[in-house]
Amino acid sequence: NAGVMQNPRHLVRRRGQEARLRCSPMKGHSHVYWYRQLPEEGLKFMVYLQKENIIDESGMPKERFSAEFPKEGPSILRIQQVVRGDSAAYFCASSPTVSDTQYFGPGTRLTVL
Amino acid sequence: GQQVMQIPQYQHVQEGEDFTTYCNSSTTLSNIQWYKQRPGGHPVFLIQLVKSGEVKKQKRLTFQFGEAKKNSSLHITATQTTDVGTYFCAGEATGANSKLTFGKGITLSVRP
Repeated sequence: NAGVMQNPRHLVRRRGQEARLRCSPMKGHSHVYWYRQLPEEGLKFMVYLQKENIIDESGMPKERFSAEFPKEGPSILRIQQVVRGDSAAYFCASSPTVSDTQYFGPGTRLTVL
Repeated sequence: GQQVMQIPQYQHVQEGEDFTTYCNSSTTLSNIQWYKQRPGGHPVFLIQLVKSGEVKKQKRLTFQFGEAKKNSSLHITATQTTDVGTYFCAGEATGANSKLTFGKGITLSVRP
């Protein structure tokens, strides 16, 4: 059973470009969570999705950030018009139910030049 | 909203010393989980505690859930350099469909 997969593992973007981060949850998991981790900081919750629905986006910046989890395919975290402050590691986690153990992917490390 | 606190953020110990860290929640929890993130890695689930006063051990690591289910502790006996990393606690509030809230973590460094 493959774990949570994220791609790309490393992403470099110039200011103003778009970043698309993908997350494929573990087989059988319908709950997906996105976290951002700035250098030497903790995990900051961004958004929680369940197939085709955004359940909780209280941690998402109001502008430029969006997330989806379509019926088919991976969950996508999209950052438009990236700025240097968006540079961080973005982790995706999945779980079979909302309160169950979360299994983390390896993360995408975004660098904005 | 629910808050999960871990203080301090960093701790340095000499190899062989014991280490204890605490996690405190602003609300009563139905369960608490601990994760470990090695430098450059991703968080990995360690353990889940559900019952009031529950104690679980994993080799040199001992986890405890407080009687009031609002705090938890992690104790490492005779630390080793392999214990280096950031330890996060994550709590689930009581009530249906509550997601986990993570603390900011404590980063442990071990001097050989």
